[in-house]
Amino acid sequence: NAGVTQTPKFQVLKTGQSMTLQCAQDMNHEYMSWYRQDPGMGLRLIHYSVGAGITDQGEVPNGYNVSRSTTEDFPLRLLSAAPSQTSVYFCASSAPRQRNNEQFFGPGTRLTVL
Amino acid sequence: SQQGEEDPQALSIQEGENATMNCSYKTSINNLQWYRQNSGRGLVHLILIRSNEREKHSGRLRVTLDTSKKSSSLLITASRAADTASYFCATGGNQGGKLIFGQGTELSVKP
Repeated sequence: NAGVTQTPKFQVLKTGQSMTLQCAQDMNHEYMSWYRQDPGMGLRLIHYSVGAGITDQGEVPNGYNVSRSTTEDFPLRLLSAAPSQTSVYFCASSAPRQRNNEQFFGPGTRLTVL
Repeated sequence: SQQGEEDPQALSIQEGENATMNCSYKTSINNLQWYRQNSGRGLVHLILIRSNEREKHSGRLRVTLDTSKKSSSLLITASRAADTASYFCATGGNQGGKLIFGQGTELSVKP
């Protein structure tokens, strides 16, 4: 199994540009989440999904959209990038009923917005 | 606002010593988990303790949970240089898939 994969690994955007961060998992996990990590702030939950077709907001959802059309994929869209969105983004998946919500993380996407 | 507050923010010890990190949280939980993050990498799950458990062991790791004080501690015994990493606690409620992370403790183990 590849586990949780994220693309791209690095991205530089200009203010106002849009882009999609890709996340995929091959473990048939129901739950998927997006976090951002900023220095001194730990990880903050952006959006999460409890299954295909179901998403919900986390702690810092503004400026981001998600959709979950399949179990495997959970893309994160930045609609109009702002410098405040410069961060490292992590995608995670879990299967609460099997492993009590132990989360498996991708390697991260380092995003810089100029 | 984040659920977990971790203490200390940074910890520097010598190889062979024990490292203790603490986590406090605000609301009722279903479970509490600890994760490790090596520099520039994603997080890796270490151990989970349920709200009805008080202590749990895994190799050189020992986790305690005191729900009356809303706090947990992670003890790493006989630390090694390879233990150098950031350690995060994360709390899970009844909403599966939603974990709230603390700000982390940066552990440095000097050879």
